[in-house]
Amino acid sequence: NAGVTQTPKFQVLKTGQSMTLQCAQDMNHEYMSWYRQDPGMGLRLIHYSVGAGITDQGEVPNGYNVSRSTTEDFPLRLLSAAPSQTSVYFCASSYWTRGQGEAFFGQGTRLTVV
Amino acid sequence: KQEVTQIPAALSVPEGENLVLNCSFTDSAIYNLQWFRQDPGKGLTSLLLIQSSQREQTSGRLNASLDKSSGRSTLYIAASQPGDSATYLCAPPQGNTGKLIFGQGTTLQVKP
Repeated sequence: NAGVTQTPKFQVLKTGQSMTLQCAQDMNHEYMSWYRQDPGMGLRLIHYSVGAGITDQGEVPNGYNVSRSTTEDFPLRLLSAAPSQTSVYFCASSYWTRGQGEAFFGQGTRLTVV
Repeated sequence: KQEVTQIPAALSVPEGENLVLNCSFTDSAIYNLQWFRQDPGKGLTSLLLIQSSQREQTSGRLNASLDKSSGRSTLYIAASQPGDSATYLCAPPQGNTGKLIFGQGTTLQVKP
C-alpha cells in the first residue's frame, strides 16, 4: 500500500533552472495539496486541488505552477528556481466529505537552489 | 483566517513522564483536527484524527482532546519513551475545506 509517493527525494538546482516535483497517490482521494516547510515558518500551503482539472492557490503560490490531469497525480512545477525556494516540499492527499476528512503526507522532497 | 499556536515549542523530559502538548486555534468553526508526528528529515505521520462530534480520540499511549468552543486541542502522551522523541504538529482545517493550517510544532526529546 504505497499511499502518497513523492519523487525525487533530494534535488539540487541552479538558479534559473526549472523542474517538476512529482506526487502520486493510490487512495483515490479527490483532494491533493503541496506544502513547503521552512525553519521557523512551519508548513505553508502552496497549491491545492479538489479534483481532476481543478486547482487553486494557497498561501505561497508565487513561482510555482500545478495541474491535475488525473486523480492520482499532482505535479508541482518550479518555472525558474530561486534560492528562496530552497525548502522541503510535502505533498498531501486527503478525502474530504461533508466537512470530514483525513490527510496523508508523502515523505518529502528536499530541494536546494544554489 | 485560521492561526495555530503550539505550546511549548520544545520539551525535554526523562523517560516515563506523562506529557501534555497544547494546541490553540483561532477559528473554532472546524469540522475536525489532526495531530501529526514528524521525525527529523522525514515526512508527517498522522497520529490521531478528532472529528467535531468527538471530544477525545485515543491510540495506544496517545490521547487527544478537542474543545472547539475554547479553540483548544491537547495531546497527552502517557509513560513517555525515547522513541517518542519527534516533532508533534497540530493541524485544524481552514474553515470547511481540506486545507490544513499548521502550528510550529512541539519538539519533544525523551531522555533514557
